[in-house]
Amino acid sequence: DQQVKQNSPSLSVQEGRISILNCDYTNSMFDYFLWYKKYPAEGPTFLISISSIKDKNEDGRFTVFLNKSAKHLSLHIVPSQPGDSAVYFCAAKTGTASKLTFGTGTRLQVTL
Amino acid sequence: NAGVMQNPRHLVRRRGQEARLRCSPMKGHSHVYWYRQLPEEGLKFMVYLQKENIIDESGMPKERFSAEFPKEGPSILRIQQVVRGDSAAYFCASSPWTGRFGEQYFGPGTRLTVT
Repeated sequence: DQQVKQNSPSLSVQEGRISILNCDYTNSMFDYFLWYKKYPAEGPTFLISISSIKDKNEDGRFTVFLNKSAKHLSLHIVPSQPGDSAVYFCAAKTGTASKLTFGTGTRLQVTL
Repeated sequence: NAGVMQNPRHLVRRRGQEARLRCSPMKGHSHVYWYRQLPEEGLKFMVYLQKENIIDESGMPKERFSAEFPKEGPSILRIQQVVRGDSAAYFCASSPWTGRFGEQYFGPGTRLTVT
């Protein structure tokens, strides 16, 4: 049972434009959401997170939006840069458990 | 401040051998998590440990896999009698606290290949 889903396996965006990565979840007990970025042969790097009591969190070029009623979150990167090319994972956790449940990832390619 | 350390980075084992994967958490972190990533898949939780205690092993296969985090030294993920299906990237993460706001920081992973 895939509780966190990233339905787009890949996304290509031009440099300078906005990248929007999407994530859906099914478990209504999730109350904290995180985005990680991963380069090949490296571990995931934490990017940004959001609590379920908020609907938006911003950190520099990265903004995460949460729509609890739709069980949907998105990561916006603006402006996109070539160094942003990587696989992006959405993850979720509940308040009482510490394990992260990951989506399958979206490969972002930022082209010149 | 050194990040999460994992070794070895690459490990090749023949079917039936044992694999030992090591993880040293970030300084000041007392919570360790192990995840496995199979080819073309996301990361799957295996086990969560604090010093000398297994807190959650709900993602750990019932047989051949074990984990520990002793009072001194790194956390160890041990796989006995490896099979080809164990070939994967194994990632360790650490955090300074648990609860809902504890981001986890990942190591570079150990890539296990079973021949």
